[in-house]
Parts: sequence; structure tokens; C-alpha cells
Amino acid sequence: QKEVEQNSGPLSVPEGAIASLNCTYSDRGSQSFFWYRQYSGKSPELIMFIYSNGDKEDGRFTAQLNKASQYVSLLIRDSQPSDSATYLCAVAGGTSYGKLTFGQGTILTVHP
Amino acid sequence: DVKVTQSSRYLVKRTGEKVFLECVQDMDHENMFWYRQDPGLGLRLIYFSYDVKMKEKGDIPEGYSVSREKKERFSLILESASTNQTSMYLCASRLPGGVNEQFFGPGTRLTVL
Repeated sequence: QKEVEQNSGPLSVPEGAIASLNCTYSDRGSQSFFWYRQYSGKSPELIMFIYSNGDKEDGRFTAQLNKASQYVSLLIRDSQPSDSATYLCAVAGGTSYGKLTFGQGTILTVHP
Repeated sequence: DVKVTQSSRYLVKRTGEKVFLECVQDMDHENMFWYRQDPGLGLRLIYFSYDVKMKEKGDIPEGYSVSREKKERFSLILESASTNQTSMYLCASRLPGGVNEQFFGPGTRLTVL
């Protein structure tokens, strides 16, 4: 069983819509959660992180965490074609050294 | 500004060759990581180093070794390259504590023929 699961997509949304990306994880001891964006041919870059249950908002991005359900999501409001990328969910456990476990990524396409 | 560099963007090697992939960071980070990324599998951790000369196996260490003689440099070694090691290799570094963010290098696309 994979430790971090994402729907690989592709997810296609029209420009201006809300894109919803989902991630589930198996380790109940997980403590911090990250969303990375990866453009084609580029390396991942961090766009959001969340530690506590509930919502965290940053501009057009909202991360949501539900530890009881072991579920984390990323909402992108007013989606733009420039948001088209692969979105990677990553989870850090309670161990040291900052090891991250990544999901397989969701491909998002925003069409004009 | 944060900077992680990798020695090559593209590399082509032959089966059985010894391959060195170099990663350098200029942020004085203690923790460094090597991943490989394959379609549909996401990023998988090969090895990581939490300090100079300290290393630990990740999830898929077989066929790889690492070296960290200086804080800023972390090398991934393929002792005898095989075709199933054809992949994108990504290096990352992190400052312990805080946000736990890992900063990634540009990646090396390795092809083993």
C-alpha cells in the first residue's frame, strides 16, 4: 500500500474555475504536509505547507488538512493557464531529518 | 537566494559504468537528499545525509551509494550502472527545524544504454 496517494489525473479545469487536488496518507504519526508544484522539465517548488487541522490560505491557494481522515487537499481559486503543472503532495513524519514521502503527483491542466 | 546545483542536466552512460552525480548547495544546509523521479511513481528517496559524513538509506538504496565529505556537497554514486537506473535524479537540501522545506536542484536526466 502506498503511503501517500494522489489521483494522478490529468485534472482539467477551465480558466477561472476552482481546481481541487486531493491527497491521502497512511501514517497517522505524520505531522506536516506540503504541496509542491512542478512545471514540465523543472524541479519541484514549495507552494504551501500546513501543520494544523483546518484551512490555510495564501493568495489563490488554500490547503486543507483533516488528520482524523488522513486527508489533505489543495484548492486553487481563479485557476490560470500558468497553474498548469504537476502538483506533488508530500508528508513528513515524526522522525528527524525532515524526510518527506511524496505522492505520485496530479497533473493539472487549466484551459482558456 | 537559495541555490542547489547539480553537475549535469543530461548524462548518457553505458551499462556497467561507474557514475557520479554531484550536488552542491550554498545555503549551509545540514540535511541533503537524493531522489529519483519516474513517471507515475513520484519522487522516491534513495539516500539522505543529515550531516557531514553521516548518511542513511532511503526507500530505494539498492545499486546506489553516497558520499558527503563536505557540508555543501553530496554525491550519488552508481557503482555499476544498469538500464533500470535510467531516470531523473533530483537533489535537495534543508535547514533542520522551521518549515522543513526542501529546496531542489534542477535535476539530472540520466540515460543508461
